[in-house]
Amino acid sequence: DAGVIQSPRHEVTEMGQEVTLRCKPISGHNSLFWYRQTMMRGLELLIYFNNNVPIDDSGMPEDRFSAKMPNASFSTLKIQPSEPRDSAVYFCASSRPGYTYNEQFFGPGTRLTVL
Amino acid sequence: GQQLNQSPQSMFIQEGEDVSMNCTSSSIFNTWLWYKQDPGEGPVLLIALYKAGELTSNGRLTAQFGITRKDSFLNISASIPSDVGIYFCAGQHRNDGNQFYFGTGTSLTVIP
Repeated sequence: DAGVIQSPRHEVTEMGQEVTLRCKPISGHNSLFWYRQTMMRGLELLIYFNNNVPIDDSGMPEDRFSAKMPNASFSTLKIQPSEPRDSAVYFCASSRPGYTYNEQFFGPGTRLTVL
Repeated sequence: GQQLNQSPQSMFIQEGEDVSMNCTSSSIFNTWLWYKQDPGEGPVLLIALYKAGELTSNGRLTAQFGITRKDSFLNISASIPSDVGIYFCAGQHRNDGNQFYFGTGTSLTVIP
């Protein structure tokens, strides 16, 4: 079975440019999570969706960040305009919510470098 | 948000030794997960725990859900070089929806 798919795997861009990260969750999972990982701050939850609806976006750093989930099989995280401090690895994860068996499964990540 | 304290922060051990790491939280959880992250990859789920006191094994890995529901530990027996990586704990309380809170990670180095 395919796991969580993220694209691109690597992105190098210049400050001020728009960046769009993409995620395809595991089929049948209806919760999707965006995380950011840096050496300094570790793994931070940015936003998560249940049934395509954003539930908690309190981790989104600022208005330059936005996330959408137009359908159950696709989500995007957009940064506009990008800044060097946005450089990090961005992970998408999905889960099947419930009392048990609700483990999160992670994608391989997108390594973003903003010059 | 919830605070998860994971210790130790890093470990350097000889191949063949056993490893133990733990995670504590300031509040109770209903689910504990343990992940391993290899360089350049996403975290991979190792073990999931759903019941206080539960002890679960996955090969050389054993994890336990603390009886107080505020802690969990992970043991690795007879370590091998491919055990190298960063290990994360994650906890969830069902009243928080589907959100998991992650520990800061334990970096494991195995010396051949």
